Amino acid sequence: DADVTQTPRNRITKTGKRIMLECSQTKGHDRMYWYRQDPGLGLQLIYYSFDVKDINKGEISDGYSVSRQAQAKFSLSLESAIPNQTALYFCATSDSTDTQYFGPGTRLTVL
Amino acid sequence: AQSVTQPDIHITVSEGASLELRCNYSYGATPYLFWYVQSPGQGLQLLLKYFSGDTLVQGIKGFEAEFKRSQSSFNLRKPSVHWSDAAEYFCAVGNSGYSTLTFGKGTMLLVSP
Repeated sequence: DADVTQTPRNRITKTGKRIMLECSQTKGHDRMYWYRQDPGLGLQLIYYSFDVKDINKGEISDGYSVSRQAQAKFSLSLESAIPNQTALYFCATSDSTDTQYFGPGTRLTVL
Repeated sequence: AQSVTQPDIHITVSEGASLELRCNYSYGATPYLFWYVQSPGQGLQLLLKYFSGDTLVQGIKGFEAEFKRSQSSFNLRKPSVHWSDAAEYFCAVGNSGYSTLTFGKGTMLLVSP
């Protein structure tokens, strides 16, 4: 079984809809991250959490929110989706050496 | 603030030829350095990492990278490229084991027959 899982893997939605992307991990790591990937822009950090009670904004947090329900679960929400949030979204965890382990990604399309 | 530059957006290499992907970083102290690979439709997979010690680091799939402090570089190399190596490669830098990573924008490797 994969160590970091993301659901759904693909999602098509309409402008203005609320969307939640979920991430679960079995690696036992405290640290979790949400990234957005757009062609030619690499990975941009949206939010990160170093433990259950710690949530931090990344470089592009506007329009997004997160919830850390447990050590193993970190969800990303788009309160009112817009077309320029169409992207590939990755969840990751990391150990104490900053080594990050990525999920398979969620491809989100906002029409 | 730390930063990473991957100067080459695309590189095309013939199968069997050698490969070098460039990565330059900006960071004040000794960085933690990483190379990840992303195959089409997949997540990112760790190829190798450098924290300290020997500046030549071996990774998976026959890749290696060399940390050169004087040049602020961490270039990825492979002696003989296989068609299955076609993918996007990302360099990343972190610090002190308690930070986020900063990723470069990636280099797309194309392998020609």
